[in-house]
Amino acid sequence: AIQLTQSPSSLSASVGDRVTITCRASQDISTFLVWYQQKPGIPPKLLIYHASTLEGGVPSRFSGSGSGTDFTLTISSLQPEDYATYYCQQFKSYPLTFGGGTRVEIK
Amino acid sequence: EVQLVESGGGLVQPGGSLRLSCAASGFTFSDHRMDWVRQAPGKGLEWVARVRNKVNGYTIEYAAAVKGRFTISRDDSRNSLYLQMNSLNTEDTAVYYCVRDSSNWALDYWGQGTQVTVSS
Repeated sequence: AIQLTQSPSSLSASVGDRVTITCRASQDISTFLVWYQQKPGIPPKLLIYHASTLEGGVPSRFSGSGSGTDFTLTISSLQPEDYATYYCQQFKSYPLTFGGGTRVEIK
Repeated sequence: EVQLVESGGGLVQPGGSLRLSCAASGFTFSDHRMDWVRQAPGKGLEWVARVRNKVNGYTIEYAAAVKGRFTISRDDSRNSLYLQMNSLNTEDTAVYYCVRDSSNWALDYWGQGTQVTVSS
């Protein structure tokens, strides 16, 4: 199975900060990489698919990049509503797998 | 509006069985691959199973942790997705989400989830 390693596992940041989260795959997954945001008690929300395509309705401060094994999710200017846990997921091969998550907390 | 509503969760003893259901509405259910994803208390997301659509032969994939114990199925005439869970153990305790694949290799709509607790 393809393993996805997210880093950091948690971070503290202030409103307005630029935040970068990394997802590393154990093997080449091309751009079959998706990012989700999850807030406590709520199902995950799709943010980005195909590594860099923004889902409709998602603010443009979110962006994704990468291909192969290394991917990043960037929030250009952190907003209060962005405090959440972020997960990556690969769709290159089965079983589909998620990263362990990155919790973004208020500094 | 796309809606996915799970039901069938509850408390079950180790070794027991449960059948989860998911009622879909607001989209053409038969066009989409459908998944189950779970989340144990305080833990991350874990993909459980997928059933493809008719065009793709209704073929199925499972996570290793559930293969041989869980069975995913769908009834396009009822716009419904199911997960039959047998030989449950405490590690299966989680919220189970019914999820739609967008056809762009992403999970774009999630149900609110149903809690499954395996405990004696």
